[in-house]
Amino acid sequence: TQLLEQSPQFLSIQEGENLTVYCNSSSVFSSLQWYRQEPGEGPVLLVTVVTGGEVKKLKRLTFQFGDARKDSSLHITAAQTGDTGLYLCAGAPSGTYKYIFGTGTRLKVLA
Amino acid sequence: DVKVTQSSRYLVKRTGEKVFLECVQDMDHENMFWYRQDPGLGLRLIYFSYDVKMKEKGDIPEGYSVSREKKERFSLILESASTNQTSMYLCASSPLFGVGEKLFFGSGTQLSVL
Repeated sequence: TQLLEQSPQFLSIQEGENLTVYCNSSSVFSSLQWYRQEPGEGPVLLVTVVTGGEVKKLKRLTFQFGDARKDSSLHITAAQTGDTGLYLCAGAPSGTYKYIFGTGTRLKVLA
Repeated sequence: DVKVTQSSRYLVKRTGEKVFLECVQDMDHENMFWYRQDPGLGLRLIYFSYDVKMKEKGDIPEGYSVSREKKERFSLILESASTNQTSMYLCASSPLFGVGEKLFFGSGTQLSVL
């Protein structure tokens, strides 16, 4: 059972373009996190969102947690080739210790 | 910095073999996790452990078992390897369960079962 669905699965864009990645669930999460994974490495944490409606910015990356704490989005402004990678949302549904990951979005930014 | 070390980067085994994947963390973390990663499916949780000798099934435990005899070491065991267990296996650790806990990952073991 995949509780965290991400879209799109693949994204190929030109440098300088903007993009948004979505992470959706039917379950409520106490927090959601976003990781980025590069080839040959494990995922690395980018950000944690905790409060419904929360918006966090990390340079050109903007993360939002849905009001109902069931979904999240990642927006990248003016993408750069260094943003290329696999983006994963993750969290433990409220009341569980099962820390699960989304299906992933593979982003390729072309020069 | 936290270091999570997986014993092998690449492993090739034959169908029916018993396979051990080892993971060691050096930051005294309470929780440890095993995931497998397949294209289009993200990371899927196999087992996790929140204390020595304690373990919980994840979403896909069938065909796997785990062992945590010491706090720093979490082993994943494939009792009888099958070709559908060919995958990238990732181990992770975290300090405590709580809101916004952060997982630290190893670099992964790419297992091929022939």
